[in-house]
Formats: sequence, structure tokens, C-alpha cells
Amino acid sequence: QQQVKQSPQSLIVQKGGISIINCAYENTAFDYFPWYQQFPGKGPALLIAIRPDVSEKKEGRFTISFNKSAKQFSLHIMDSQPGDSATYFCAATKAAGNKLTFGGGTRVLVKP
Amino acid sequence: GAGVSQSPSNKVTEKGKDVELRCDPISGHTALYWYRQSLGQGLEFLIYFQGNSAPDKSGLPSDRFSAERTGGSVSTLTIQRTQQEDSAVYLCASSLAVGSYNEQFFGPGTRLTVL
Repeated sequence: QQQVKQSPQSLIVQKGGISIINCAYENTAFDYFPWYQQFPGKGPALLIAIRPDVSEKKEGRFTISFNKSAKQFSLHIMDSQPGDSATYFCAATKAAGNKLTFGGGTRVLVKP
Repeated sequence: GAGVSQSPSNKVTEKGKDVELRCDPISGHTALYWYRQSLGQGLEFLIYFQGNSAPDKSGLPSDRFSAERTGGSVSTLTIQRTQQEDSAVYLCASSLAVGSYNEQFFGPGTRLTVL
């Protein structure tokens, strides 16, 4: 059972454009939703995260939008740069244990 | 050490052999996690440690997989009688403590190839 579904699987965007990645979850017990960025040969690194009592969180060019009733959240990368080319994973976790349940990943390519 | 380290970075083994993968967490981090990343299954949780105990082993795919942590620091993931489907990147992460809001810091992973 895939508890976190992520789309699209891949994305090509021009430099300066907006990248949008969507995730949907099933388990209402999840209470923390981080996004991870992974470059080839590296482990994932936390990019930005949100709690369900907040509808939006912005850090620099990265924004998470959260819709609790729809059980959906998304990552927006504004003014996309070639250095943003990476694989992005959404994730969800519960208060106890903190084990991360990941979406399937989105490979983003930003063309110069 | 600046971050989580894992060794070896790459491991090639023959089907049926046992392998040990090592993780050195960030100093002072009490929680340690193992994940597996494969093309078919994505990123999946295997096991986590709080100190030296493992409250959640639910992600271990079979009894061929085991893990231990000693001294609240280094952890070893052991795979016995390896199978080709075990081929994946095994990632270790650590966090200050267990709990949703504690960031997990990932190591670079060990790429395991079973021939």
C-alpha cells in the first residue's frame, strides 16, 4: 500500500520557471511533511518541511502548500535554476517514531 | 565528524554471501534509521534505533536482515544469504532524538550489488 503518492515522476522546466510537485497521503495520523532533495551519489537532504496546522510555508524560492482536508501537499520551486536539478521526495511521518514514509520521487531537470 | 558516514560506499557480492554495512551517525544523535533505495521500491524504511534498542523493525523485508547498534553510536546492518533483489542503495540517517520534528540527516549510502 503506497501511503504517499507523488507526481509527476519527472519534470523539465526552463531556467526561471516554476517547478510544481504534488503529493497526496492517506494516513491522517501523519503530522509532519518534509521535502527532501537528492543529488546523484548523495543521500537525501532536508529542503523544507511543514506541519498540518499551517497551510503554507515559504523558505527562499521554495514553498510548500498544504491542504489538510484534501490530504494533499505540494512543493513549488520559484525561479528554478540549473542547480535545482535533482530528485525531490515528499515524505510524511507521525509523532511517534519519526520513520519517514516517502513518495516515489520526482526528477527535476532545469534547462539553462 | 561533520555528518553521517557509511562504509563501504560500494559493495559487490555474490548471491548467497553475507554482507555487513556500517553507519556512523552524527555525534550525540540518539536516533538512527536505516532506509533502502531501489528503482522498483523507491525509498523505504527498514528499522530505527533509539539508543541501542530498536522499537520499530517493521520495514525489514525478511529474517535475512538484521541490525544492531552498540554504544549508542555505530550501527551495522547485516544481510545474510544475499539475493539479487537485495541490490539497492542502503541509506543511514540520524537525528538528535526520536520525534517528528527532529531532522534526519542522511549519509551518502552504500550501494550493494548482488551478482
